[in-house]
Amino acid sequence: QLQLQESGPGLVKPSETLSLTCTVSGGSIRGSSYYWGWIRQPPGKGLEWIGSVYHSGNTSYNPSLKSRVIISADTSKNQVSLKLTSVTAADTAIYYCARVIVYGGHSGDYWGQGTLVSVSS
Amino acid sequence: QSALTQPPSASGSPGQSVTISCTGTSSDFGAYDYVSWYQRHPGKAPQLMIYEVNKRPSGVPDRFSGSKSGNTASLTVSGLQAEDEADYYCSSYVGSNNFWVFGGGTKLTVL
Repeated sequence: QLQLQESGPGLVKPSETLSLTCTVSGGSIRGSSYYWGWIRQPPGKGLEWIGSVYHSGNTSYNPSLKSRVIISADTSKNQVSLKLTSVTAADTAIYYCARVIVYGGHSGDYWGQGTLVSVSS
Repeated sequence: QSALTQPPSASGSPGQSVTISCTGTSSDFGAYDYVSWYQRHPGKAPQLMIYEVNKRPSGVPDRFSGSKSGNTASLTVSGLQAEDEADYYCSSYVGSNNFWVFGGGTKLTVL
C-alpha cells in the first residue's frame, strides 16, 4: 500500500522559506503514468493547488504562487519537496502531498495526512 | 475564493440520498471531463471517491456516484451511513500546466 508522509517545520517566520518533504513508501516515485502534487488548505478556506512535479523533474506551478514556489523530486530518496519563499501569514495552511494519476483524469489517488504550517513571528 | 462553488453544508438521515453540487465556468472545467471528488474525515488524508466525473476507484462503495451537466458537477451519496459524515471537495483538472481547481468543500452531516 502506497503511503505518503509530509514532514517539516510546523512554524515558519514571516519572510522566511517554508520547506516540506513528502516521503513516499510502498512504491516508487518513478513512473510515467503519475506525478506528484502539493495542495494546501488555509484555515477556514478551501483547497488550493500549489504545483506538481514528475520524477523526471518537470514541474508546473499555480500561477498565483509561481514566483515563490520550487517543487522537486529526489528519486534516490523517494521524496518530493516543496519550498515556498517569502512566506506571510496567508501561507498558514495544512499542506498535503498527493500522487496524481494521469490516466485517471489527473486525480489524486493517494494523499498524505497533511502537515500544518503556521507562519508567525 | 475557490474557483468552483459548492454549498457549505448538506445533510440527510441514514438511508436517504443527498446530492452535492459543484458549479464553475466552462474554463474551470476545461476541455476535459476530469472532475474528481474527495472525502476527508477530520485529521485524515483526503480519499478519492470519484474521478473522471463518474468513475469509482476500487474499494469505493457504489453508493457514491457522480455526474456532470453543463458547468455543474454533482456527487450523490445514496443510502447514507454514519461513516459518510465528512467534508467533500470537488476538483477539476483544467489542463494547462497540470493545473487543478477546487471547490470550497461541503460538510455532509448525517442526521
